[in-house]
Amino acid sequence: QVQLQESGPGLVKPSETLSLTCTVSGGSISSYYWSWIRQPAGKGLEWIGRIYTSGSTNYNPSLKSRVTMSVDTSKNQFSLKLSSVTAADTAVYYCARDLVRITMISLEDAFDIWGQGTMVTVSS
Amino acid sequence: DIQMTQSPSSLSASVGDRVTITCQASQDISNYLNWYQQKPGKAPKLLIYDASNLETGVPSRFSGSGSGTDFTFTISSLQPEDIATYYCQQYDNLPRTFGQGTKVEIK
Repeated sequence: QVQLQESGPGLVKPSETLSLTCTVSGGSISSYYWSWIRQPAGKGLEWIGRIYTSGSTNYNPSLKSRVTMSVDTSKNQFSLKLSSVTAADTAVYYCARDLVRITMISLEDAFDIWGQGTMVTVSS
Repeated sequence: DIQMTQSPSSLSASVGDRVTITCQASQDISNYLNWYQQKPGKAPKLLIYDASNLETGVPSRFSGSGSGTDFTFTISSLQPEDIATYYCQQYDNLPRTFGQGTKVEIK
C-alpha cells in the first residue's frame, strides 16, 4: 500500500528557506497530483499547493510568491521550498496524494493518502 | 477563495448519540466536498468524498449529504473512537480550502 514520508529540517531560521521532501513508497509517484498542506499548532488546515508528475504546479495565491514545488520521479519523491520564512510559517507540514478521478458523470478529487506530518519551527 | 464555514466549532455528545456537523460554502460548489477526521497528533483521514461517498474501509455510521452551498456530516451512533476533529474541504476551485474544524468530544 502506498505510504508517504516527509523529511527535512525541523528548525529553520527566519528569512531562510524551508525545504521538505516527501518520499512515496509502495507505489509509483507517476500520474498523480501531490499536495502539501500545513497546520499551525491548534489551528486548521491550509493547502499550500500541488504538483503533477509532469511538473505542472498550482500554488495557493497567499503563498505563491514564496513557494516552489518540484518532483523527481526517478526517486519517487516530491519537494517543497518555502522562502523568506517567518514565525507564521511554523506548523506541521503534511504531504498528501491528491487523487483525481474523472468519470462521465462525476469529478472526484480528495487527499486520500497522507504522510504522518513533520513539525517545522521557524526561530533564530 | 471559497470560504468554508463549519458549525458548531465543538460539540459534546454521549456514546450512541447521533451527531451532525454542518458545512457552508461561500458559493455554489456543487457536490465537490470532502470530509476528513483528524485524531490528536495524527494526519487527517479521508472519510467522505464527493459529498456523500464513503471512502473504502470507513464505518457505515459515517455519512454525508448536501450540494450547492450547504452540507451535512453525520455520525449515526457516536463511538469512543470517533473522538476527533472533523474538517470539510471543497475542491470546486483552487485554492483548495478547508473548514475551521469541529471538535467532537464524549460527554
